[in-house]
Amino acid sequence: KAGVTQTPRYLIKTRGQQVTLSCSPISGHRSVSWYQQTPGQGLQFLFEYFSETQRNKGNFPGRFSGRQFSNSRSEMNVSTLELGDSALYLCASSLGGVSYEQYFGPGTRLTVT
Amino acid sequence: QKEVEQDPGPLSVPEGAIVSLNCTYSNSAFQYFMWYRQYSRKGPELLMYTYSSGNKEDGRFTAQVDKSSKYISLFIRDSQPSDSATYLCAINTDKLIFGTGTRLQVFP
Repeated sequence: KAGVTQTPRYLIKTRGQQVTLSCSPISGHRSVSWYQQTPGQGLQFLFEYFSETQRNKGNFPGRFSGRQFSNSRSEMNVSTLELGDSALYLCASSLGGVSYEQYFGPGTRLTVT
Repeated sequence: QKEVEQDPGPLSVPEGAIVSLNCTYSNSAFQYFMWYRQYSRKGPELLMYTYSSGNKEDGRFTAQVDKSSKYISLFIRDSQPSDSATYLCAINTDKLIFGTGTRLQVFP
């Protein structure tokens, strides 16, 4: 069974631009969560989508948004990029619910200059 | 107080050693605990998943949960250089809450 895939793997953007990251979950998984990983803050939860609905949201500004499509693929968008948005963005998929394991993709490394 | 605390290390051990990695958590209602391994510049890989108290073993890895003291552990037996990575504990509530990760180096 194929794992979680994320595209692109690497991205360099300039301050003020916007960016869209994509995540394809494991087949059959309906939940997709996004996390930001930085050396200083570690792994922090951004939001979770389940069956095209945002079910949970972390403490990030409104510049961070996402959506999920009917095939469970998800996208994350960051508008008006700031230098501090440079991070590894990870998505994780699961069957849904706290009792299920979450599996991560390889991440998208975003660098904002 | 952070919800999950983890010693960041680094931890350096010789090949073949038994490694003990530990986390503490603050909320006694937490029930689902995971350990992830993350190699440099890769995504976290799920190693172990445990529910409530007790031990779970998978090959050289044993995960242990002590709910009375709010303590979770991962033991690695016969450690190998390929085990060199960052190990993250995580608690699954309506989202994953991660510890800061412990860097482990196993030298030949």
